[in-house]
Amino acid sequence: NAGVTQTPKFQVLKTGQSMTLQCAQDMNHEYMSWYRQDPGMGLRLIHYSVGAGITDQGEVPNGYNVSRSTTEDFPLRLLSAAPSQTSVYFCASSPGLAGYNEQFFGPGTRLTVL
Amino acid sequence: DQQVKQNSPSLSVQEGRISILNCDYTNSMFDYFLWYKKYPAEGPTFLISISSIKDKNEDGRFTVFLNKSAKHLSLHIVPSQPGDSAVYFCAARDPYNFNKFYFGSGTKLNVKP
Repeated sequence: NAGVTQTPKFQVLKTGQSMTLQCAQDMNHEYMSWYRQDPGMGLRLIHYSVGAGITDQGEVPNGYNVSRSTTEDFPLRLLSAAPSQTSVYFCASSPGLAGYNEQFFGPGTRLTVL
Repeated sequence: DQQVKQNSPSLSVQEGRISILNCDYTNSMFDYFLWYKKYPAEGPTFLISISSIKDKNEDGRFTVFLNKSAKHLSLHIVPSQPGDSAVYFCAARDPYNFNKFYFGSGTKLNVKP
């Protein structure tokens, strides 16, 4: 069981470039989400998905797109990178069942936009 | 405005003593709270949780206390060990979407040998 995997671990982009951050989980979790971590701000929710084909916005969705075509994968796309998107990005998954569930996080992607 | 706040960015404790990490929240409708631990260059990992119907939950050296009237929760680590040195995040679940969570900004705990 690999859990939640993220690629790449590090990325440097120039302003205006596009890229996709990959996230995959092998736990058959319905719920997946993307967070960004900035100093003094904690983890802020960007987008989330409650199942294949269903996505919704979180607290800070601007500048990011997502899609969920399979249960396993939840990529995050930056269409035109900006310096304000320099951050550490975490993908997380959880069973999505009613009741009390914790999230399982990937190791993160550190993105720098110049 | 942040709905979950951790007002202490850092905490330093001697090995063997108690570590107390605090967290405040603004929404009285939050029904489930969690603590995560994060080491450098790793993702957060779940540590302990508490539902709003309880005021205390224990798991080994870790105890979480919930004071609903004060909208405050705390994590106690007894005894503290050097391996506990990490950043601790508290999180609260959205009352209308049980898959959505709000995180505090984290407290960096340093346990000195």
